[in-house]
Amino acid sequence: GAVVSQHPSRVICKSGTSVKIECRSLDFQATTMFWYRQFPKQSLMLMATSNEGSKATYEQGVEKDKFLINHASLTLSTLTVTSAHPEDSSFYICSAAQVYEQYFGPGTRLTVT
Amino acid sequence: AQTVTQSQPEMSVQEAETVTLSCTYDTSESDYYLFWYKQPPSRQMILVIRQEAYKQQNATENRFSVNFQKAAKSFSLKISDSQLGDAAMYFCAHLNRDDKIIFGKGTRLHILP
Repeated sequence: GAVVSQHPSRVICKSGTSVKIECRSLDFQATTMFWYRQFPKQSLMLMATSNEGSKATYEQGVEKDKFLINHASLTLSTLTVTSAHPEDSSFYICSAAQVYEQYFGPGTRLTVT
Repeated sequence: AQTVTQSQPEMSVQEAETVTLSCTYDTSESDYYLFWYKQPPSRQMILVIRQEAYKQQNATENRFSVNFQKAAKSFSLKISDSQLGDAAMYFCAHLNRDDKIIFGKGTRLHILP
């Protein structure tokens, strides 16, 4: 089956710094990738849709200047959390779309101190 | 707006018994996809089963089957011969025409030995 990787799996950063999370589709090309955020014991909340070669589209309430998304190739999307604050601490999950299905990465746990 | 509702936050089932997880959804689309995802403690999202709305036949994957009632907008998951490894969060999800997945809030399933 299709495999999606995320790097890093967990990261700790200091408040005010930026952190980049990578999402890669390993054995297929994905023109569309998605970024989700999941708080403890809650469901996945869609943050944005990442489209290869064009700007990402953000869900209502998600700050595009804070969560920068770049989809530079058909196998790589990156999410950069800029000027991170403790409230940005969360579990971030990406997925890659392929023919009416999405394949999920293993997630990245971000802790902002 | 499209919504997915899981009315059972938690459920428990005896090992080897059968359990049914409920899900209802709301959509104005006539053709769409529905999914059940499993999220174990590792937090990796795993696709359990997929149903295409235009297919009347209920999807089945080994011990997992669904009861898809399109008119009632109901999509329940039945797990037969429950195993300890089935313990996880289960999310019902709807894929819309924008390729966005809308998740329910999840049902935590406990397997009692």
